[in-house]
Parts: sequence; structure tokens; C-alpha cells
Amino acid sequence: EPEVTQTPSHQVTQMGQEVILRCVPISNHLYFYWYRQILGQKVEFLVSFYNNEISEKSEIFDDQFSVERPDGSNFTLKIRSTKLEDSAMYFCASSLGFSGDGNTIYFGEGSWLTVV
Amino acid sequence: KNQVEQSPQSLIILEGKNCTLQCNYTVSPFSNLRWYKQDTGRGPVSLTIMTFSENTKSNGRYTATLDADTKQSSLHITASQLSDSASYICVHTGGFKTIFGAGTRLFVKA
Repeated sequence: EPEVTQTPSHQVTQMGQEVILRCVPISNHLYFYWYRQILGQKVEFLVSFYNNEISEKSEIFDDQFSVERPDGSNFTLKIRSTKLEDSAMYFCASSLGFSGDGNTIYFGEGSWLTVV
Repeated sequence: KNQVEQSPQSLIILEGKNCTLQCNYTVSPFSNLRWYKQDTGRGPVSLTIMTFSENTKSNGRYTATLDADTKQSSLHITASQLSDSASYICVHTGGFKTIFGAGTRLFVKA
């Protein structure tokens, strides 16, 4: 069964460093998402991406975050200058169609980011 | 305020028993409501998706209901198995409002 894959599975970085989390969405999907989950807390929506542009973003997704689809298969989340509070599990997800139309959102296994 | 609230926060049941998890939502306009299963340290896996016009939807031993009047949803798990131990998350998605509940942590004991 097709799946969303994420790399790295775990990354430790120093505060202030830039981090890029990578994702390969399911190949025929058109909508891409990033979420985060701080340890012990609820999953939070960060951003959705469609047709090579951001379609929706939350208040969490500030100027230190950016997303990019550099080629036909990868979807990346960049954090420019990491802070301790960025430590979390970051989930990439994709869906064939718009989530508001009831399309299933498929999640990857997550990238665990630890900022020290 | 747009939010999704779940109860109970955690639940312990014996293997083979049934259970029902609750979700109350205050999201406007409503789009669709989903239930996910999340194993510890793993990504959420979709169980059901319901739109405004749907009252119930089943996926194997999982049955979700939606009452648009009271803005409540429930997830019923039948004949629980040890592998059902996980967090169950209620989520409103669609439009410009993707809101996760805090989840119900279910423990199934032998």
C-alpha cells in the first residue's frame, strides 16, 4: 500500500540551527500537509500546500517556517533558526483531493526533532 | 471559539469488551469530522470520515456516529483487542479550520 515517507526519523540539532525535514508524499496525491505534536500534547496543524503554493497555514507557521516542493516527489519543511520549543514530532501528510471534500489524509511516521 | 473536545481523557477496558469514546465540536462552518487511531510514537491512521449529512459510518469493529444538532460524535469499538490500545483522536478538517482534539488514550487489558 502506498505510504508517506519521512526522513530523518530523528534529528538532534542545536538551538539556532536550520533544519530541513523531508517528506515523500503518496505519488498521485495533490495536497500536502505538515503537522506537529509536542510530546504529550495534541497534534497541531501547521500548513497545507496545493498547486505549488501554501493554501492554508496556522498561527504556529510563522516566518521561521517555510515549505517547498523542490521536485516532483519531495515536500520539505524548513525551520530557519530552531528554538527549544520547536522540539516535537513533525508529521507530513498527503491527500488525493481537498480535505474539505472528505478525502482521506494519510500521515507519515513522523520526524522527531530535538532542539538542544 | 472553534474547538474539539474529547472524553474521557483515558479509558481502561478488558479485552473483548466494547467501549464508546466521545467528541464534542464547536466548529463553524462544519466540513467533516474524522476519527484517527494513533499508536505511541507513530503517525495517525484514519478510521472514519463523516460529512454533515452522514449519521453513522463503520470500519470493521469501529463505528462512528455524528449528531449535527448536538455537535457530538462518538466512536464505538466492538469486541476490543489488545492491539486497540492507542490514542483515538477526533479531528475537524476542511476549509480553513483543521482542529484536533486532545485524544482519548485507550488501554485494553488482557
